[in-house]
This record gives sequence, C-alpha cells and structure tokens, in this order.
Amino acid sequence: GQQVMQIPQYQHVQEGEDFTTYCNSSTTLSNIQWYKQRPGGHPVFLIQLVKSGEVKKQKRLTFQFGEAKKNSSLHITATQTTDVGTYFCAGPGDYKLSFGAGTTVTVRA
Amino acid sequence: DAGITQSPRYKITETGRQVTLMCHQTWSHSYMFWYRQDLGHGLRLIYYSAAADITDKGEVPDGYVVSRSKTENFPLTLESATRSQTSVYFCASSERGLRDTQYFGPGTRLTVL
Repeated sequence: GQQVMQIPQYQHVQEGEDFTTYCNSSTTLSNIQWYKQRPGGHPVFLIQLVKSGEVKKQKRLTFQFGEAKKNSSLHITATQTTDVGTYFCAGPGDYKLSFGAGTTVTVRA
Repeated sequence: DAGITQSPRYKITETGRQVTLMCHQTWSHSYMFWYRQDLGHGLRLIYYSAAADITDKGEVPDGYVVSRSKTENFPLTLESATRSQTSVYFCASSERGLRDTQYFGPGTRLTVL
C-alpha cells in the first residue's frame, strides 16, 4: 500500500534560522496536505497543494509540491518559538488519508 | 461555532471495562474518522464513516466498535479495554471525502490500568 515518509523525524532549530522538512510518497499523489500539531494539541490543517510544482506561502512558511507529485517540502524561514510542534504531511491513499510520521520541531531561544 | 468536540478529554479506566468516547461535530460533514496516536506509530485510522449508518474498518479496528445513528455523532466504544489501548484518540471530520482535508477534535487521552 501507499507509504508517506517524512524526514527528518526531529529538527532542532536555533531561533531565527531557516529549515526544511521533506515528505515523500511511494505513489503519485493527487494532492498533498500539511498539518501542524502543537505540543499537547491536535492536528490542524495548514494547506493543500494540488498542482505539479505548486508553491504556496503562508507568512514564513513555504510549501512546495514536487514536479512528479510524489514529494513535498515545507520550508520555514526565521524560525520562531511559535513554530514549535509536529508537522505532518498527508496524501490520499486507497481508502484513506495516509499521514507521514511527522517532523517534530523544537526551537532554541 | 463549536466545530468538532470530544468527550471526555481525559479518562482513566481499568482493564476489562467498557469505555465510550464521544465525538460531536456541528458542520454536518458527511465523513467522520477515529484515529489513535501513539509515540512511534503516528496517526492510525481505527474506523471511519461516510454517512449516517455507514461505517467501515480502518487500519487498527480490533477491540473497537463504532456507530453512527446521527450525522453529527460518531462514538467509539472499547468493549473490553486493554492496556495496549492506552493512547490519545482523535476524532476528525471531512466535508468532501475520505481522502480530503480533515478537521480534528481536541482529543481524548485514555489510560487503561
């Protein structure tokens, strides 16, 4: 079945630095979704990408969908303490949304 | 706008007891889901429902029962709780489909002693 993998599993970032987290699917996706879960919270939908090569920005967050629609990335610039949490990507599978294991981000002030 | 709510938020029970986790949504979304989240396993789908009276198994359905008599409610029952069912349970809903954007409830943290 379809697998969605995310790297890295953990990302420790100095406040103010940039970082990127990656999502890879074993199959071509019709869309890719990104969610954020704050510590102790629940996953919250951030964005959906549909088109090959699509790039969307939300303030300091830049999301990209690969040309082959099998991978995606999330780039955060000038990381802030509010960026702490786990970022999940998710892609449509056979009968469900397949979530990656997530990238857990911690920020050093 | 309440959105999607879960109750209780925290529950401690004993092995062998029956436990029901409640999920209620005010959006009239057709699709609803139950996930469990455990360290090292991410989000795993337990059961889902495409409409009232239509439910189906997800990845890890054993030991769980669901029902959906009304569109807005989707309770999850652990018939005889086991320690391995200690987890955080999330209910979610989707307007357009099984593979579309999902909106999650706040979660129930369940501990089985």
